[in-house]
Amino acid sequence: GEDVEQSLFLSVREGDSSVINCTYTDSSSTYLYWYKQEPGAGLQLLTYIFSNMDMKQDQRLTVLLNKKDKHLSLRIADTQTGDSAIYFCAESRYSSASKIIFGSGTRLSIRP
Amino acid sequence: GAVVSQHPSWVICKSGTSVKIECRSLDFQATTMFWYRQFPKQSLMLMATSNEGSKATYEQGVEKDKFLINHASLTLSTLTVTSAHPEDSSFYICSARDSRAANEKLFFGSGTQLSVL
Repeated sequence: GEDVEQSLFLSVREGDSSVINCTYTDSSSTYLYWYKQEPGAGLQLLTYIFSNMDMKQDQRLTVLLNKKDKHLSLRIADTQTGDSAIYFCAESRYSSASKIIFGSGTRLSIRP
Repeated sequence: GAVVSQHPSWVICKSGTSVKIECRSLDFQATTMFWYRQFPKQSLMLMATSNEGSKATYEQGVEKDKFLINHASLTLSTLTVTSAHPEDSSFYICSARDSRAANEKLFFGSGTQLSVL
């Protein structure tokens, strides 16, 4: 079956790194995504990684993929108050017409 | 980057009325668009896949007569919530994929908060 799991909450101190973890069950996942959702807004694609990669870095964001363990993580360096949001992990497969399966989202809160 | 415009951002309506939500891809063509529903503090639930020029594909448990989807052009899909009831109150989000892009990136609208009184 299709399942994507994340922890619901994460609290970090401003300036520290945040690491949001995600596990998925579908071994045929082709793309894995991280989306950010601010209150009352739609989803913003932060970054994505193809399943044949194990790392992708984009400015303050680092995505790590352990395909063997079906584990994906998003690291945000130097976390700022503007990073407060819900972060969704998601996966998709070519075979399912781009249907994307989302995790339940991790609410990141920043403390001073 | 690609932009998806969703309108309206929020709508309040009386029970029994119908509400139309529009989703437009502004700078790319989208043969496929997706409609999601999100309840408070929950993840997105895919409702249906909207295909340009053909009928939408609905997920299990979604009433196609209740949630009418029309994808009449390569840049516009509409979702009409017919005879809305308070339990239809939710946050609705659309997404679109660039038909010419080789990757699977989806771009999302900003969402529509529907409140049915």
